[in-house]
Amino acid sequence: EDKVVQSPLSLVVHEGDTVTLNCSYEVTNFRSLLWYKQEKKAPTFLFMLTSSGIEKKSGRLSSILDKKELSSILNITATQTGDSAIYLCAVGQGAQKLVFGQGTRLTINP
Amino acid sequence: DAGITQSPRHKVTETGTPVTLRCHQTENHRYMYWYRQDPGHGLRLIHYSYGVKDTDKGEVSDGYSVSRSKTEDFLLTLESATSSQTSVYFCAISERGISNQPQHFGDGTRLSIL
Repeated sequence: EDKVVQSPLSLVVHEGDTVTLNCSYEVTNFRSLLWYKQEKKAPTFLFMLTSSGIEKKSGRLSSILDKKELSSILNITATQTGDSAIYLCAVGQGAQKLVFGQGTRLTINP
Repeated sequence: DAGITQSPRHKVTETGTPVTLRCHQTENHRYMYWYRQDPGHGLRLIHYSYGVKDTDKGEVSDGYSVSRSKTEDFLLTLESATSSQTSVYFCAISERGISNQPQHFGDGTRLSIL
Protein backbone atom coordinates (compact mmCIF):
# COMPACT_ATOMS: atom_id res chain seq x y z
CA GLU A 1 0.00 0.00 0.00
CA ASP A 2 1.34 3.44 -0.92
CA LYS A 3 1.98 5.64 2.08
CA VAL A 4 3.58 8.89 3.12
CA VAL A 5 4.45 9.40 6.78
CA GLN A 6 5.34 12.71 8.35
CA SER A 7 7.00 13.31 11.68
CA PRO A 8 6.56 14.77 14.12
CA LEU A 9 2.79 15.18 13.92
CA SER A 10 2.97 18.25 16.12
CA LEU A 11 5.79 20.57 17.14
CA VAL A 12 5.91 23.64 19.37
CA VAL A 13 8.99 25.87 19.37
CA HIS A 14 9.98 29.42 20.27
CA GLU A 15 10.41 32.19 17.75
CA GLY A 16 13.95 32.18 16.39
CA ASP A 17 14.43 28.42 16.70
CA THR A 18 15.32 26.19 13.75
CA VAL A 19 13.00 23.28 12.96
CA THR A 20 13.30 20.20 10.80
CA LEU A 21 10.22 18.40 9.53
CA ASN A 22 10.46 14.87 8.16
CA CYS A 23 8.66 13.00 5.41
CA SER A 24 9.22 9.37 4.45
CA TYR A 25 7.44 7.52 1.69
CA GLU A 26 6.74 4.14 0.17
CA VAL A 27 5.08 4.89 -3.14
CA THR A 28 5.19 3.01 -6.42
CA ASN A 29 6.16 4.89 -9.55
CA PHE A 30 7.63 7.89 -7.72
CA ARG A 31 7.69 11.09 -9.77
CA SER A 32 8.11 13.99 -7.35
CA LEU A 33 7.88 15.13 -3.75
CA LEU A 34 6.10 18.34 -2.81
CA TRP A 35 5.82 20.44 0.32
CA TYR A 36 2.80 22.61 1.06
CA LYS A 37 1.98 25.05 3.85
CA GLN A 38 -1.61 25.16 5.09
CA GLU A 39 -2.83 27.93 7.30
CA LYS A 40 -6.56 28.46 7.55
CA LYS A 41 -7.64 27.63 4.04
CA ALA A 42 -5.96 26.32 0.91
CA PRO A 43 -2.61 24.51 1.02
CA THR A 44 -0.05 26.76 -0.64
CA PHE A 45 2.84 25.33 -2.62
CA LEU A 46 6.37 25.61 -1.21
CA PHE A 47 8.71 23.26 -3.06
CA MET A 48 8.77 20.48 -5.62
CA LEU A 49 11.68 18.03 -5.59
CA THR A 50 12.42 15.54 -8.33
CA SER A 51 15.28 13.33 -9.41
CA SER A 52 16.69 16.31 -11.30
CA GLY A 53 16.25 18.76 -8.45
CA ILE A 54 16.86 17.29 -5.03
CA GLU A 55 17.53 20.53 -3.13
CA LYS A 56 15.46 23.69 -3.04
CA LYS A 57 15.79 26.86 -0.99
CA SER A 58 13.67 29.93 -0.58
CA GLY A 59 14.60 32.44 2.09
CA ARG A 60 14.54 30.73 5.46
CA LEU A 61 13.02 27.54 4.09
CA SER A 62 14.94 24.73 2.45
CA SER A 63 14.23 21.14 1.51
CA ILE A 64 16.24 18.10 0.49
CA LEU A 65 15.14 14.87 -1.15
CA ASP A 66 16.99 11.65 -0.33
CA LYS A 67 15.90 9.11 -2.94
CA LYS A 68 18.09 6.42 -1.44
CA GLU A 69 16.43 6.73 1.96
CA LEU A 70 13.00 7.51 0.44
CA SER A 71 12.66 10.61 2.54
CA SER A 72 12.74 14.37 2.59
CA ILE A 73 13.27 17.09 5.16
CA LEU A 74 11.96 20.63 5.34
CA ASN A 75 14.09 23.06 7.33
CA ILE A 76 12.94 26.40 8.61
CA THR A 77 15.57 28.66 10.19
CA ALA A 78 14.98 31.69 12.43
CA THR A 79 11.30 30.79 12.78
CA GLN A 80 8.65 33.49 13.03
CA THR A 81 5.09 33.37 14.34
CA GLY A 82 3.91 33.57 10.75
CA ASP A 83 5.46 30.16 10.11
CA SER A 84 2.80 28.58 12.33
CA ALA A 85 0.82 26.27 10.07
CA ILE A 86 0.30 22.68 9.04
CA TYR A 87 3.04 21.51 6.68
CA LEU A 88 1.99 18.84 4.21
CA CYS A 89 4.25 16.48 2.32
CA ALA A 90 2.93 14.85 -0.86
CA VAL A 91 4.46 12.37 -3.26
CA GLY A 92 3.63 12.38 -6.94
CA GLN A 93 2.73 8.91 -8.14
CA GLY A 94 2.42 8.02 -11.80
CA ALA A 95 1.08 10.67 -14.10
CA GLN A 96 -1.35 12.55 -11.93
CA LYS A 97 -1.84 11.33 -8.40
CA LEU A 98 -0.54 12.90 -5.22
CA VAL A 99 -0.35 10.85 -2.04
CA PHE A 100 -0.33 13.07 1.05
CA GLY A 101 1.05 12.55 4.51
CA GLN A 102 -0.96 13.44 7.61
CA GLY A 103 0.78 16.76 8.03
CA THR A 104 2.91 18.32 10.78
CA ARG A 105 1.27 21.01 12.87
CA LEU A 106 3.94 23.61 13.68
CA THR A 107 3.33 26.22 16.35
CA ILE A 108 5.77 29.08 16.86
CA ASN A 109 5.44 30.84 20.20
CA PRO A 110 6.71 34.42 20.59
CA ASP B 1 -2.95 33.10 -6.53
CA ALA B 2 -4.40 30.51 -8.89
CA GLY B 3 -7.90 31.45 -10.02
CA ILE B 4 -9.90 28.71 -8.32
CA THR B 5 -13.33 29.24 -6.83
CA GLN B 6 -15.18 26.61 -4.87
CA SER B 7 -18.88 26.82 -4.09
CA PRO B 8 -20.54 26.66 -1.75
CA ARG B 9 -17.96 27.47 0.94
CA HIS B 10 -20.05 25.89 3.67
CA LYS B 11 -22.99 23.52 3.53
CA VAL B 12 -25.03 21.62 6.10
CA THR B 13 -27.41 18.97 4.88
CA GLU B 14 -29.12 15.79 5.97
CA THR B 15 -28.24 12.16 5.41
CA GLY B 16 -29.67 10.80 2.18
CA THR B 17 -29.85 14.07 0.30
CA PRO B 18 -27.90 14.72 -2.91
CA VAL B 19 -25.13 17.30 -2.77
CA THR B 20 -23.14 18.91 -5.56
CA LEU B 21 -19.96 20.90 -5.04
CA ARG B 22 -18.57 23.09 -7.77
CA CYS B 23 -15.02 24.01 -8.68
CA HIS B 24 -14.47 26.79 -11.18
CA GLN B 25 -11.08 27.79 -12.58
CA THR B 26 -10.01 30.73 -14.71
CA GLU B 27 -6.53 29.38 -15.55
CA ASN B 28 -7.56 27.14 -18.46
CA HIS B 29 -5.62 24.27 -16.87
CA ARG B 30 -6.17 20.80 -18.22
CA TYR B 31 -6.11 18.86 -14.94
CA MET B 32 -8.54 19.21 -12.05
CA TYR B 33 -8.83 17.23 -8.81
CA TRP B 34 -11.12 16.71 -5.87
CA TYR B 35 -9.71 15.87 -2.43
CA ARG B 36 -11.18 15.46 1.00
CA GLN B 37 -9.31 16.37 4.16
CA ASP B 38 -10.02 14.66 7.47
CA PRO B 39 -8.10 14.71 10.77
CA GLY B 40 -5.41 12.05 10.83
CA HIS B 41 -5.68 11.35 7.10
CA GLY B 42 -4.24 14.36 5.38
CA LEU B 43 -5.64 14.98 1.91
CA ARG B 44 -7.04 12.04 -0.03
CA LEU B 45 -7.84 12.04 -3.73
CA ILE B 46 -11.47 11.36 -4.64
CA HIS B 47 -11.53 11.83 -8.43
CA TYR B 48 -9.59 13.75 -11.00
CA SER B 49 -10.02 14.94 -14.57
CA TYR B 50 -7.44 15.11 -17.34
CA GLY B 51 -9.67 16.88 -19.83
CA VAL B 52 -13.28 17.62 -20.73
CA LYS B 53 -15.34 14.47 -20.15
CA ASP B 54 -12.17 12.58 -19.10
CA THR B 55 -12.17 11.53 -15.47
CA ASP B 56 -10.68 8.81 -13.28
CA LYS B 57 -11.03 7.52 -9.75
CA GLY B 58 -8.81 8.28 -6.81
CA GLU B 59 -8.28 6.32 -3.61
CA VAL B 60 -11.61 7.23 -1.92
CA SER B 61 -14.07 7.41 -4.81
CA ASP B 62 -16.89 5.25 -3.40
CA GLY B 63 -20.06 7.29 -2.95
CA TYR B 64 -18.87 10.13 -5.20
CA SER B 65 -19.27 10.95 -8.87
CA VAL B 66 -17.83 13.77 -10.96
CA SER B 67 -18.50 15.53 -14.21
CA ARG B 68 -16.55 17.91 -16.38
CA SER B 69 -18.47 19.32 -19.33
CA LYS B 70 -16.31 22.43 -19.68
CA THR B 71 -12.63 23.08 -19.10
CA GLU B 72 -13.34 25.55 -16.31
CA ASP B 73 -15.83 23.55 -14.23
CA PHE B 74 -15.43 20.31 -12.29
CA LEU B 75 -18.42 19.10 -10.26
CA LEU B 76 -18.38 16.65 -7.38
CA THR B 77 -21.67 14.93 -6.52
CA LEU B 78 -22.65 12.93 -3.48
CA GLU B 79 -25.70 11.03 -4.75
CA SER B 80 -26.96 10.18 -1.26
CA ALA B 81 -24.91 11.86 1.43
CA THR B 82 -23.82 9.93 4.52
CA SER B 83 -22.36 11.18 7.80
CA SER B 84 -18.99 9.64 6.86
CA GLN B 85 -18.79 12.16 4.03
CA THR B 86 -18.65 15.07 6.47
CA SER B 87 -15.33 16.64 5.59
CA VAL B 88 -13.53 19.59 4.05
CA TYR B 89 -13.38 19.24 0.28
CA PHE B 90 -10.61 20.84 -1.77
CA CYS B 91 -10.38 21.31 -5.48
CA ALA B 92 -6.98 21.57 -7.15
CA ILE B 93 -5.76 22.36 -10.65
CA SER B 94 -2.61 21.69 -12.62
CA GLU B 95 -1.49 22.69 -16.08
CA ARG B 96 0.73 19.67 -16.67
CA GLY B 97 1.59 16.39 -15.01
CA ILE B 98 2.84 16.21 -11.48
CA SER B 99 6.39 15.48 -12.56
CA ASN B 100 6.62 18.99 -13.93
CA GLN B 101 4.28 21.23 -12.07
CA PRO B 102 2.59 21.40 -8.66
CA GLN B 103 -1.13 21.35 -8.06
CA HIS B 104 -2.73 24.55 -6.74
CA PHE B 105 -5.66 24.44 -4.38
CA GLY B 106 -8.92 26.28 -3.84
CA ASP B 107 -10.05 27.49 -0.41
CA GLY B 108 -12.19 24.45 0.30
CA THR B 109 -15.82 23.61 1.04
CA ARG B 110 -16.76 22.59 4.55
CA LEU B 111 -19.56 20.01 4.29
CA SER B 112 -21.51 18.70 7.28
CA ILE B 113 -23.92 15.79 6.90
CA LEU B 114 -26.30 15.47 9.85
